[in-house]
Amino acid sequence: RKEVEQDPGPFNVPEGATVAFNCTYSNSASQSFFWYRQDCRKEPKLLMSVYSSGNEDGRFTAQLNRASQYISLLIRDSKLSDSATYLCVVKNTGGFKTIFGAGTRLFVKA
Amino acid sequence: DAGVIQSPRHEVTEMGQEVTLRCKPISGHNSLFWYRQTMMRGLELLIYFNNNVPIDDSGMPEDRFSAKMPNASFSTLKIQPSEPRDSAVYFCASSLRPVGLAGDEQYFGPGTRLTVT
Repeated sequence: RKEVEQDPGPFNVPEGATVAFNCTYSNSASQSFFWYRQDCRKEPKLLMSVYSSGNEDGRFTAQLNRASQYISLLIRDSKLSDSATYLCVVKNTGGFKTIFGAGTRLFVKA
Repeated sequence: DAGVIQSPRHEVTEMGQEVTLRCKPISGHNSLFWYRQTMMRGLELLIYFNNNVPIDDSGMPEDRFSAKMPNASFSTLKIQPSEPRDSAVYFCASSLRPVGLAGDEQYFGPGTRLTVT
């Protein structure tokens, strides 16, 4: 089993739709969680950190479920510009490991 | 503010040649990371430095790969000799704080696209 797993997609949604991605992790000692976004042929860019209490940034909501060992990203009112690959990141302090998921591709269509 | 700077942006070389990739982290950041990204394997951490000291190099694929960080503002990743399977995009990233502490968000450079023929 991979340490961090994501549904590769692609997710094809119309503008204005709500879409959600999940990411599961295998190490229960994982400490820090993030979502990154990567556009085609560009570098990954930090989208948001994921806190235990959940957090929201505009149309984006991230949640952490430690009991089930997954994090989620919810995008409301999708825009064409949201089309990208979304990478979840899990960090394990003890082993200094930073592990990226393979990413979920999202296409938002007019 | 300048972000992470990498050079070259593109590198095409022949098998067997030495390749050196360069990175300048964001000023004030104490941690630096080298990643490799391919379609098959995704984004893989190669090595992680904190305060110029290698902390985790378990991701370095083999002895042909080496990385140095002689000072807080410069790092290199060297491949000698290069092979076609090394073709990938190599990203450098930096963070203000070490992994696991508040402020450990990583900021990526634009990457070096390496092609080994």
